[in-house]
Amino acid sequence: GQNIDQPTEMTATEGAIVQINCTYQTSGFNGLFWYQQHAGEAPTFLSYNVLDGLEEKGRFSSFLSRSKGYSYLLLKELQMKDSASYLCAVRDSNYQLIWGAGTKLIIKP
Amino acid sequence: IAGITQAPTSQILAAGRRMTLRCTQDMRHNAMYWYRQDLGLGLRLIHYSNTAGTTGKGEVPDGYSVSRANTDDFPLTLASAVPSQTSVYFCASRMGHSEGETQYFGPGTRLLVL
Repeated sequence: GQNIDQPTEMTATEGAIVQINCTYQTSGFNGLFWYQQHAGEAPTFLSYNVLDGLEEKGRFSSFLSRSKGYSYLLLKELQMKDSASYLCAVRDSNYQLIWGAGTKLIIKP
Repeated sequence: IAGITQAPTSQILAAGRRMTLRCTQDMRHNAMYWYRQDLGLGLRLIHYSNTAGTTGKGEVPDGYSVSRANTDDFPLTLASAVPSQTSVYFCASRMGHSEGETQYFGPGTRLLVL
């Protein structure tokens, strides 16, 4: 079967760094996406990885290891507005997105 | 219109009633998707359409139907609603099949079936 695992909830302090992990087992791999979803809102795109390594975009970075079926999202200089759920999704061999349940990130002052 | 719109924003529906959730995009995207999102679960694909005139079944299609008569609209119909269909429904779209293309989401419809 297809499975994507990420922690249910994490807590971090404003100004700090947090790493959200995602492991996956899917039928085929055509890229991994991270989305941000604020409570009561729609998911919005953060990052995309298809090759191994680190992709950096401002305060957010995403890493992929295809051989390990593993990715992480790194958030630096945390701000209160970063409090949200972070969704990991893998595009499978049918070009459909398989979604993790999301990690709720709580930022404390 | 800019992006993807969904209607209604929220709805309370009696079990057994028929309901159509509307989704319209103005980005001329080829592919469109319907997901449901339930607490503790990831987004689950209900139906999708890779291009106007074609549709396909996702992970949880039972009890739902879709049509794609044109590029812009992708309505989702619940023929006879049941309480287990209480959920938040998101419509999404994507231009095509190019690598790295992201899906864009509508604001969602919150449905309560009693």
